Amino acid sequence: NAGVTQTPKFRVLKTGQSMTLLCAQDMNHEYMYWYRQDPGMGLRLIHYSVGEGTTAKGEVPDGYNVSRLKKQNFLLGLESAAPSQTSVYFCASNAGGSSFYNEQFFGPGTRLTVL
Amino acid sequence: DAKTTQPNSMESNEEEPVHLPCNHSTISGTDYIHWYRQLPSQGPEYVIHGLTSNVNNRMASLAIAEDRKSSTLILHRATLRDAAVYYCILSDPYSGAGSYQLTFGKGTKLSVIP
Repeated sequence: NAGVTQTPKFRVLKTGQSMTLLCAQDMNHEYMYWYRQDPGMGLRLIHYSVGEGTTAKGEVPDGYNVSRLKKQNFLLGLESAAPSQTSVYFCASNAGGSSFYNEQFFGPGTRLTVL
Repeated sequence: DAKTTQPNSMESNEEEPVHLPCNHSTISGTDYIHWYRQLPSQGPEYVIHGLTSNVNNRMASLAIAEDRKSSTLILHRATLRDAAVYYCILSDPYSGAGSYQLTFGKGTKLSVIP
């Protein structure tokens, strides 16, 4: 199993440009998450999904949109990138459903710089 | 979510035990205590979790105080590969948020000295 993969690994954008980050998991997990991590800080939740076709806002959702059209994929979009969105983005997933405890599995991260 | 307090950094000699403390004085009765760690330039990974009783797994042990207001992650024999940021996180599965959410603080940066 590849686990959780993220595409791309690195990206540089100019202010105002748009882009989509792709997260894929092959563990048949119901729940998926997008976090951002700024230098020296912990991760903050942007958006999450509890199943195909559903999304919900996390702690810092402004400036981002997400979609979960397929169970295995969770897309994070930046419509008009700003320098404040320079960060490392992590995707995660867990089983959800009837399991009472679900450890989260994280991807390797995408390092985004907005100039 | 209840907050946790961890030291910013700790050092350990290789092959010695490491005790990483976490204070959570406002923990609720249904909060689980989780530990994740983040190796340099990687995503976080699960280490261990518990509710009331001490827990052991292949990676570490979790010692939970009787009043649950503090806990300690124990690495029995630190290796260079254990150098990472360790996060102590509380999460309530009954919060009704509809998902298992994690709220990360700054964690404790563990350095392992050869």
